[in-house]
Amino acid sequence: DAGVIQSPRHEVTEMGQEVTLRCKPISGHNSLFWYRQTMMRGLELLIYFNNNVPIDDSGMPEDRFSAKMPNASFSTLKIQPSEPRDSAVYFCASSYTGLADNEQFFGPGTRLTVL
Amino acid sequence: AQTVTQSQPEMSVQEAETVTLSCTYDTSESDYYLFWYKQPPSRQMILVIRQEAYKQQNATENRFSVNFQKAAKSFSLKISDSQLGDAAMYFCAYANQGGSEKLVFGKGTKLTVNP
Repeated sequence: DAGVIQSPRHEVTEMGQEVTLRCKPISGHNSLFWYRQTMMRGLELLIYFNNNVPIDDSGMPEDRFSAKMPNASFSTLKIQPSEPRDSAVYFCASSYTGLADNEQFFGPGTRLTVL
Repeated sequence: AQTVTQSQPEMSVQEAETVTLSCTYDTSESDYYLFWYKQPPSRQMILVIRQEAYKQQNATENRFSVNFQKAAKSFSLKISDSQLGDAAMYFCAYANQGGSEKLVFGKGTKLTVNP
């Protein structure tokens, strides 16, 4: 298996622009998580889905952020409009709820820079 | 809400020696999981070791072992025979028991291995 795939790996954009981050979970996994990593706040959960349904979006910072999971093999995280404080590394992770060990497999992350 | 605290922002160890990274957590749950993740400069999140709270025996994975003290809510990671490749950020994480539960991370400890 290729693991969790994220694209792009790096994104540089200007303030006010729309940014879309993409994630393909591991085949067969039914939970998907979006995390954000910054120096100030560390790693924090933004939202997670189970069977394509959003379960907890309490970590989404504000209305500028939205996430979708239209099917089991694809998810997007969109920021519109982007701001410099959104600069961070965004990780996608997936897991299979049929296993009791809760292991989440992480993608390589997308480093977002908003100028 | 659960919290995870890593009180050592940075640690260093000589190659071949042993180092222990500290982690404490707070939860009102009785069943949960604890994890240590490694993040090298490549920023890939790699699971090092996991511990189920209901298991009294401390988890071990080759040179990595944990000291799990449930009553004290302490979960330290011991790295034996440290290698240069162990240099990385180490994150302690907590998850409630269940099929799809988010990870709550500590702020991390940067480990330097000196040759």
